[in-house]
Amino acid sequence: EDQVTQSPEALRLQEGESSSLNCSYTVSGLRGLFWYRQDPGKGPEFLFTLYSAGEEKEKERLKATLTKKESFLHITAPKPEDSATYLCAVGKRSYIPTFGRGTSLIVHP
Amino acid sequence: NAGVTQTPKFQVLKTGQSMTLQCAQDMNHNSMYWYRQDPGMGLRLIYYSASEGTTDKGEVPNGYNVSRLNKREFSLRLESAAPSQTSVYFCASSERGQVGTEAFFGQGTRLTVV
Repeated sequence: EDQVTQSPEALRLQEGESSSLNCSYTVSGLRGLFWYRQDPGKGPEFLFTLYSAGEEKEKERLKATLTKKESFLHITAPKPEDSATYLCAVGKRSYIPTFGRGTSLIVHP
Repeated sequence: NAGVTQTPKFQVLKTGQSMTLQCAQDMNHNSMYWYRQDPGMGLRLIYYSASEGTTDKGEVPNGYNVSRLNKREFSLRLESAAPSQTSVYFCASSERGQVGTEAFFGQGTRLTVV
């Protein structure tokens, strides 16, 4: 059975304190791994797609990496506005995203 | 840029009532999805439509029906609402046929069944 597991469930950081979020998956025929950001009361907002092991993508303070079993979302020197829930999803047949339960990130000033 | 628009944003239903959640996208996407999001459960796929004229069940389809009215619109119907259907419902769309294509989400419908 396909599984997507995110850890930790919640993470509290001080402003400027870098860290990483993990997304491990067991999916056959992976077509893509997606990262989304979700703010309270809003729909998920797309961040990155990673297609193959070894691939990396960056956007501002965020950097996503992918191996054959997991993906990391590295947050460098976070700011309070980075506080959100970060969702990982995998796409296989028909690219339908299957989501993990998310990591709730709070960055304190 | 409207993207994906859902209506209504909030709804309270009594057990046994019916309602339809509306979703429309203006990105000319082929595929559309309905998810529900519950605390601690993440986003779970209810139904999806890979292209106009087709619909398929997702992970949690019981108690729901869908209609792909045209390429832009994909509605979700609750025939007889139950308290277990209290949730936040998200509609999404994506372009099919491209590797790793991302989905775009609406703002959600917050449904409470009492």
